[in-house]
Amino acid sequence: GAVVSQHPSWVICKSGTSVKIECRSLDFQATTMFWYRQFPKQSLMLMATSNEGSKATYEQGVEKDKFLINHASLTLSTLTVTSAHPEDSSFYICSARETGTGELFFGEGSRLTVL
Amino acid sequence: QKEVEQDPGPLSVPEGAIVSLNCTYSNSAFQYFMWYRQYSRKGPELLMYTYSSGNKEDGRFTAQVDKSSKYISLFIRDSQPSDSATYLCAMMVNQGGKLIFGQGTELSVKP
Repeated sequence: GAVVSQHPSWVICKSGTSVKIECRSLDFQATTMFWYRQFPKQSLMLMATSNEGSKATYEQGVEKDKFLINHASLTLSTLTVTSAHPEDSSFYICSARETGTGELFFGEGSRLTVL
Repeated sequence: QKEVEQDPGPLSVPEGAIVSLNCTYSNSAFQYFMWYRQYSRKGPELLMYTYSSGNKEDGRFTAQVDKSSKYISLFIRDSQPSDSATYLCAMMVNQGGKLIFGQGTELSVKP
């Protein structure tokens, strides 16, 4: 089946640094990718929708200057958490919508811990 | 009020039991309904996908959608310890739209 790869799967960083998380569709093209955030024992909260070659659409309450999203190709979207703080510690999950079929595939998630 | 409500549990059942998981929603425009399974520290994986009202069966899993009541269910027959995971309902208005998740129900199947 289709695979969505996220990297890194786990990252620890110091407060104030920036962290980039990659989301790749390995064997299909994805015009649209989604970024979610999940706190322990909570649901996936949609942060933003990214479309290849255009600006991301952010959900209400999500700081676009804090969470920079770039979708430069049909197989790669990146989420950069800028000036990370401990409250940004969370599980970040991406999903990719296959161009054509519209089927949605999820990555394995990236766990961010900010010290 | 959240768009999608799901009892977070936890739910603990003995092996072989029938499990019933449910979600209610408020947006009558939802037409696509999914159930995902998520193991700890992993991404969600799609279990069942239903369009509009009705039932769908796949092995030990049955998904039901009642749009008139804005209520969806997932039944797991002959539950196994390997079914222990968090189950999330999700729904969207159209195939190109946003997927809205419930909170997830944590299920534990005891051998």
